[in-house]
Parts: sequence; C-alpha cells; structure tokens
Amino acid sequence: NAGVTQTPKFRILKIGQSMTLQCTQDMNHNYMYWYRQDPGMGLKLIYYSVGAGITDKGEVPNGYNVSRSTTEDFPLRLELAAPSQTSVYFCASSRTGPLSGNTIYFGEGSWLTVV
Amino acid sequence: AQSVTQPDIHITVSEGASLELRCNYSYGATPYLFWYVQSPGQGLQLLLKYFSGDTLVQGIKGFEAEFKRSQSSFNLRKPSVHWSDAAEYFCAVAQNSGGYQKVTFGIGTKLQVIP
Repeated sequence: NAGVTQTPKFRILKIGQSMTLQCTQDMNHNYMYWYRQDPGMGLKLIYYSVGAGITDKGEVPNGYNVSRSTTEDFPLRLELAAPSQTSVYFCASSRTGPLSGNTIYFGEGSWLTVV
Repeated sequence: AQSVTQPDIHITVSEGASLELRCNYSYGATPYLFWYVQSPGQGLQLLLKYFSGDTLVQGIKGFEAEFKRSQSSFNLRKPSVHWSDAAEYFCAVAQNSGGYQKVTFGIGTKLQVIP
C-alpha cells in the first residue's frame, strides 16, 4: 500500500538554487495538496489541486509553483530558494475536498534546508 | 476567519494514565473538526473527525473526542495511554474559504509518555 509517496526525504539547497519535490499517489484521488510545517506554526497550505490540469494557490504560495498533468502526480517547484523556505514539506491527497468527509492522506514529509 | 487553538504545546503523562488534549476553535457556522496524529519522522494520520450528529466521536487507537458547541471545544481523550501514543497531535477545522475548502491546523501538542 504505497499511498502518498514524496521524494526526496532530505535535501540541502544553496540560496538561489531551484529544485522540485516530487509527489505521487496511487489512490486515484482528485484532490492533492502541498503543505509546509514550521516549528510552532502548524501546517500551512501552499498549493492545492482539485484534478488534473487544475491548480490554485493556498495560504503561502510565494516562491513556489506546481503542476498537475496527471491524476497521480503533483510536483512542487521551488525557484530561487531562500532561507525562509527551510521547512518540512508534506504532500497529501483526498478523494474529494475535506468538507465531503473524505480523509486526507499525507506523505511522510520532505525535510528541506536552504543555506 | 476561522482559527484553532491548542493551548498546551507539551504534555507529559504516565503510561496507563488518562489523557485529554485541548482544542478550541473559532468559527461562526457548524465546524468540521479533525484530530490528526504525527509520529516522529512521519506524515499526519487522521484519528477522528466530527461533521454532525453525535457529539462524542470515536476514532482509531482508542481515542475519542467530544464536540461542545457552548465551549467551542473539541477535546481529544484516551482513558489509558500507551507508550506508543507518544507523538504530536494536531486539531484542525475545515471550511469553505476564498473558493476552496481550507483546513486550518492548530500548532500541535507534543505528548510525552513516561513509564
């Protein structure tokens, strides 16, 4: 049971570099999400998608981009990495939106440090 | 705007003792409420959720939560804690916001279990 898989698990970036966090789910879920988790701050939504070809901004989208070319994949792109993007990133998915009673399933997280 | 408050950042309990983790929400309409658990190095896992109906909700791993509208609370309880319950617990509330279904997480309560 793979569920939500994200890679890499750990990464160190230099300021100004770019990278892509990969996320794939095998549950045929329509909704996918990217969150970041900072100590003492809970989780903040970066971007979300309600289906292939449809993405939209969450609470903290600046400095990030996403795409959703297939139902399974939802990569998160960091352009010009900054120290403020040091965080733990979680990809998640659900069959429909959270107000429909469906469980949101989370990946195991990607620890990113920008130096 | 909706918000979730978890007033206890750290809680320590002895194994076998009872547990109550507090959660207060601020939301005008009937809230959709969740409790998630995060074990070290892992993603979040849904423990239970409240959408409507019976105000006492049963979840996985022996947890339950009670929705009290008069107190704007959704406290998580377990009658007897096991060492494996040591983790971080997040309360969350969902609503429609700006055209999308937003889930707002609390900052989390870290539970330590001592022998």
